[in-house]
Amino acid sequence: QKEVEQDPGPLSVPEGAIVSLNCTYSNSAFQYFMWYRQYSRKGPELLMYTYSSGNKEDGRFTAQVDKSSKYISLFIRDSQPSDSATYLCAPGAQGGSEKLVFGKGTKLTVNP
Amino acid sequence: DAGVIQSPRHEVTEMGQEVTLRCKPISGHNSLFWYRQTMMRGLELLIYFNNNVPIDDSGMPEDRFSAKMPNASFSTLKIQPSEPRDSAVYFCASIGTSGSYEQFFGPGTRLTVL
Repeated sequence: QKEVEQDPGPLSVPEGAIVSLNCTYSNSAFQYFMWYRQYSRKGPELLMYTYSSGNKEDGRFTAQVDKSSKYISLFIRDSQPSDSATYLCAPGAQGGSEKLVFGKGTKLTVNP
Repeated sequence: DAGVIQSPRHEVTEMGQEVTLRCKPISGHNSLFWYRQTMMRGLELLIYFNNNVPIDDSGMPEDRFSAKMPNASFSTLKIQPSEPRDSAVYFCASIGTSGSYEQFFGPGTRLTVL
């Protein structure tokens, strides 16, 4: 089993839709759970992160971690065409290491 | 701040040639990461440095790949000899203050080996 599994999509939704992006992971030692956004032909940029379990909200974005089931989610409310990008989950910080393990990414297209 | 700087942005070379990719991390950042991204394998960590010292090179695919960080403001990733399967986008990322896990990525180098 891969350390981080992420459905690559692609996912296509109409503007205004609620989007749910998900990852599963196998390493119970992960402590930080990052979501990166990558626009076409650009480097990934940190969107938001959570520490341990629970929810974190930032505007239209909500990150959720369920450590008991090793499941990571990112929800986007009122999706906009500008949200069209690839979203990568990246858990890490096991044993204090700075390494992150990236999922393959889910390509999202929001159609106007 | 200019962010992480990578050069060249694009490189096209022939099989067997030596390729050198360069990275300048954000000033003051003390950890640097090299990644390779392909459609098939996603974003893979090749090697990372802390305070110019290689900490984990377990992702380096084989002896053809080598990386150096001679000082805090410069790192290179070298492939010699290059092969078509090395074609990918190579990213460099850096981390700042201790305890922060946010990696700042450069724009990447798109490498094509013919």
